[in-house]
Amino acid sequence: AQKVTQAQTEISVVEKEDVTLDCVYETRDTTYYLFWYKQPPSGELVFLIRRNSFDEQNEISGRYSWNFQKSTSSFNFTITASQVVDSAVYFCALSEGDSGAGSYQLTFGKGTKLSVIP
Amino acid sequence: NAGVTQTPKFRVLKTGQSMTLLCAQDMNHEYMYWYRQDPGMGLRLIHYSVGEGTTAKGEVPDGYNVSRLKKQNFLLGLESAAPSQTSVYFCASKWASFMNTEAFFGQGTRLTVV
Repeated sequence: AQKVTQAQTEISVVEKEDVTLDCVYETRDTTYYLFWYKQPPSGELVFLIRRNSFDEQNEISGRYSWNFQKSTSSFNFTITASQVVDSAVYFCALSEGDSGAGSYQLTFGKGTKLSVIP
Repeated sequence: NAGVTQTPKFRVLKTGQSMTLLCAQDMNHEYMYWYRQDPGMGLRLIHYSVGEGTTAKGEVPDGYNVSRLKKQNFLLGLESAAPSQTSVYFCASKWASFMNTEAFFGQGTRLTVV
């Protein structure tokens, strides 16, 4: 069974601070994908990044960066110099690979609500 | 460029009433999903479909039925609504290929059962 744990329920930071959102996952698959989605107050789900289990390179996109470590089953997300527009709920998710039922469904964590205070 | 469209966006039902939520995608995706989002619970899978004419149960299927008569549409039905089904419902779709696993989500349907 797959499981995604986002231990931080809510985080508040002051604008321009850096913040890291933690994500720990469990899976028996050797091939899998990890995702981060953003849900702003307007409610829609915005795709941020996809990472497959064979690619442990860290990725940077502007102020966003992701650190994938298979040894600790973690896929953490860092926002540098946070802005008020970053305020949202962030979800980490896992998609099965080669040993699942073939549905490639996403298993979500419970989300971390980030509040950036001006 | 519609992507995934959910209808309706908001609905209030009385306990025991029935309704159908419609999800339509114009990307020719094979896979479609219905999730529900509850406070502090993340998104949980209700039902999914891997192709036209096929459906399967997810993590929380009780009280819901689905149909996929056309590839582009995935319907979620509540036969007898209960207050426990008050939630935000999201539909998603994706390509069948594992190498293209980004799921595209609709805008959500906020359902209140009173």
